[in-house]
Amino acid sequence: KNEVEQSPQNLTAQEGEFITINCSYSVGISALHWLQQHPGGGIVSLFMLSSGKKKHGRLIATINIQEKHSSLHITASHPRDSAVYICAAMASGSRLTFGEGTQLTVNP
Amino acid sequence: EAGVTQSPTHLIKTRGQQVTLRCSPISGHTSVYWYQQALGLGLQFLLWYDEGEERNRGNFPPRFSGRQFPNYSSELNVNALELEDSALYLCASSLEGARGYTFGSGTRLTVV
Repeated sequence: KNEVEQSPQNLTAQEGEFITINCSYSVGISALHWLQQHPGGGIVSLFMLSSGKKKHGRLIATINIQEKHSSLHITASHPRDSAVYICAAMASGSRLTFGEGTQLTVNP
Repeated sequence: EAGVTQSPTHLIKTRGQQVTLRCSPISGHTSVYWYQQALGLGLQFLLWYDEGEERNRGNFPPRFSGRQFPNYSSELNVNALELEDSALYLCASSLEGARGYTFGSGTRLTVV
């Protein structure tokens, strides 16, 4: 069993839909990252969470430390949101343990 | 402010050769992390350097090594390249702990 698990692995949505990607982790963490990886490999850090909820534009990230679960929500999705979204848990030593990623495709 | 810069962006090597990848962190960041993303696989932690010292190492063979220089830039060296070393190698930098964690654009290594 992976220490960080994401679901779904693949997600196809129509433009405008509300999207949720889930992440569960089994290790104790100091922070959890949500990353966005575009074709070609470049990675952008979207959020770093240690508790509660953060919002940036149409993106919302939540974390429940007790349940060891985090979600990334995208409101009013757009084709440019198409990317791989990766959940990464930061445990001891500041190293990240990554989920397998969720491939999101938003169709116009 | 310049981001995390990696060089080269693409590289083709022959099996058995050695390769050096370079990373310059964001100014002020003292920690540098290296990750490997092999084709079809998730990101895997390789190495963590902080203040010039190796702090942690992932589950990779000793032919993967690196160092961090006094200016906090870092090199990743891979000796005796194997075909399965073909991957995207990503560098990230941060301040102490998780603050300011930022990824570079990566070096895509192809071993033939």
